[in-house]
Amino acid sequence: DIQMTQSPSSLSASVGDRVTITCRASQSISSYLNWYQQKPGKAPKLLIYGASSLQSGVPSRFSGSGSGTDFTLTISSLQSEDFATYYCQQSYRTPRLTFGPGTKVDIK
Amino acid sequence: EVQLVESGGGLVQPGRSLRLSCAASGFTFDDYAMHWVRQAPGKGLEWVSSISWNSGTIYYADSVKGRFTISRDNAKNTLYLQMSSLRAEDTAFYYCAKASADGTGFYYFFAYWGPGTLVTVSS
Repeated sequence: DIQMTQSPSSLSASVGDRVTITCRASQSISSYLNWYQQKPGKAPKLLIYGASSLQSGVPSRFSGSGSGTDFTLTISSLQSEDFATYYCQQSYRTPRLTFGPGTKVDIK
Repeated sequence: EVQLVESGGGLVQPGRSLRLSCAASGFTFDDYAMHWVRQAPGKGLEWVSSISWNSGTIYYADSVKGRFTISRDNAKNTLYLQMSSLRAEDTAFYYCAKASADGTGFYYFFAYWGPGTLVTVSS
C-alpha cells in the first residue's frame, strides 16, 4: 500500500497569512494527488485534484503543486472560513484511495 | 443536484452486525463506482471499501476484509455496507462517496460525499 504523510500535523495562522502544507507519498504517484478540506461535523470537500487542478467553485487562493512523491497545498491569503483540517489523498493506486493523516489549521 | 444520504448507524455491541445504507440521487447511479470512507471520532479519514458500477469489482481495506461486505442495488439507487463481527475500533462516522474522474479520465477523486452516519461499537 502507498503510505501518505503530511506536515505539519497542525499549525496556527492569522487571517491574511500565506499557509503551506506538505504531503509526501511513500512511492512515486506522479500527479495523482487530491486535497480535501474538512470542517468539524462536516464531510470532506474536494479542493484540488491531479495535484494542481482546482475543483470547480473552490476559491483561487487555494493552489496545489508537486509531482512524484512531494506535494504542496498553498493558501495564499488565509480567510476565516479556511480554518479546518486538510487531507491529501493518493489516487495512483485506485480504487484504494488512501489519505494522509491530516493537517489542522487553527487561529493564532 | 447530487445527493448522498447515509443511514443505519447506531450503537451496537462488539461482535454484532449492522448494515449501513447510502441513498443516492441526482445522478445516474449505475454509471459510477461507489466507496465507503470512515473516520473515527477526532481521527483522520480511512478508505474502507469500493464497488464498481456493476458490482463486478470490489475492494476492501485490510482492516475490514472478511468482516465487511459492500453491495449495491442499482434499481434502488442504494449502496450498502454490511458490517459483522464489529469491534470497538470500528467506531466511526461512515461516509459514502461517489467516485468521479476529470475530463481526461486520468484523475480520480471524491467530489461528492454524504453527511455520514455514526457507528458506535460498545457494550
